[in-house]
Amino acid sequence: RKEVEQDPGPFNVPEGATVAFNCTYSNSASQSFFWYRQDCRKEPKLLMSVYSSGNEDGRFTAQLNRASQYISLLIRDSKLSDSATYLCVVPWANQAGTALIFGKGTTLSVSS
Amino acid sequence: NAGVTQTPKFRVLKTGQSMTLLCAQDMNHEYMYWYRQDPGMGLRLIHYSVGEGTTAKGEVPDGYNVSRLKKQNFLLGLESAAPSQTSVYFCAARDSNYGYTFGSGTRLTVV
Repeated sequence: RKEVEQDPGPFNVPEGATVAFNCTYSNSASQSFFWYRQDCRKEPKLLMSVYSSGNEDGRFTAQLNRASQYISLLIRDSKLSDSATYLCVVPWANQAGTALIFGKGTTLSVSS
Repeated sequence: NAGVTQTPKFRVLKTGQSMTLLCAQDMNHEYMYWYRQDPGMGLRLIHYSVGEGTTAKGEVPDGYNVSRLKKQNFLLGLESAAPSQTSVYFCAARDSNYGYTFGSGTRLTVV
């Protein structure tokens, strides 16, 4: 299994829809996980951190399933402004220090 | 507070030329990183640093060198540019809670 895998999409949904993205990871020792958002030709920005079983922030919910080694991101009541690429991020198992490994991203397009 | 600043923002190089990308942070973070992003490949880690004077290889280090002589600066060097190094390069600095702050990127084209 690759370190981080995501469904690339694209996910095309209407405004108001609920959409969920999944991400699987291979490093069973990972303790913390992240979802980043990246708009076209911009730098990634932190959306949510996931340290335990899950985390909720307004319309966004991130869940972690350690046994199955996957993370999910749920977006409720989608807005046009949610259109972006969502990157799943996990710690990279390495010896010299700690870095983050990014999934290839899932593209979301919300239409009116 | 600028956060993370990358220079230059755009550059076109000829094959075989060399150049240095500069990343500067004003947040006093220990960890700094260089990633490249290519279509369909996502962000891939090139090199990183866990503190002043230290560097380490990431996923795709070949063809690049780095230096962290000062805590606030992390330099990425291309000694002999190749077309395969055409990419968008992002620098990031990390805070104590793991979150990355990214620079706005450098778009490099090697012809």
